[in-house]
Amino acid sequence: AQKITQTQPGMFVQEKEAVTLDCTYDTSDPSYGLFWYKQPSSGEMIFLIYQGSYDQQNATEGRYSLNFQKARKSANLVISASQLGDSAMYFCAMREGTMEYGNKLVFGAGTILRVKS
Amino acid sequence: SAVISQKPSRDICQRGTSLTIQCQVDSQVTMMFWYRQQPGQSLTLIATANQGSEATYESGFVIDKFPISRPNLTFSTLTVSNMSPEDSSIYLCSSRDFITDTQYFGPGTRLTVL
Repeated sequence: AQKITQTQPGMFVQEKEAVTLDCTYDTSDPSYGLFWYKQPSSGEMIFLIYQGSYDQQNATEGRYSLNFQKARKSANLVISASQLGDSAMYFCAMREGTMEYGNKLVFGAGTILRVKS
Repeated sequence: SAVISQKPSRDICQRGTSLTIQCQVDSQVTMMFWYRQQPGQSLTLIATANQGSEATYESGFVIDKFPISRPNLTFSTLTVSNMSPEDSSIYLCSSRDFITDTQYFGPGTRLTVL
């Protein structure tokens, strides 16, 4: 079964508007972390935001926020006030916490975001 | 956050040859990871490299094809051996920051095999 599911292959957003990128996950481990990365055309992986499974509040980092709904096993990324430079591939990833799972980061298929001027 | 550098940033190689990719972290880290990203695909973990022990490979990846070294807590290498065009990918090195519990990536090595 897929551990991380990103159902939106591609998204468009108008500059200065907000956009939500969807991510659902599957794990039976009570301790896990959820990550979002941005990959521009250059290929580098840029860390955006992290949410631990025990964190009570949704993570925020500048224009990025993570809408963490534990019961629904979703961790959507919200980008506010989109900019042209936000155009990139976005990956959701999960790391299960216990050594049994190897502390590995597992990635979703990604969502391509295009910001229109 | 850790700063990770990789060399080379890109290379074009002939089939049958080998390429060694270097990864340098600006602080000591216990765990380093090597990922492969094939064209148009997501990232797949090749192996976990811990200092002082053999690398742990994921299913589908073997040491003969992807030997890894981890001589100290700031450095690792990945060799792609006996390359074929199917090895054309971006190879990324990563380390885990146990203080913040986040994970950072190097800029990647874009490999093309002809």
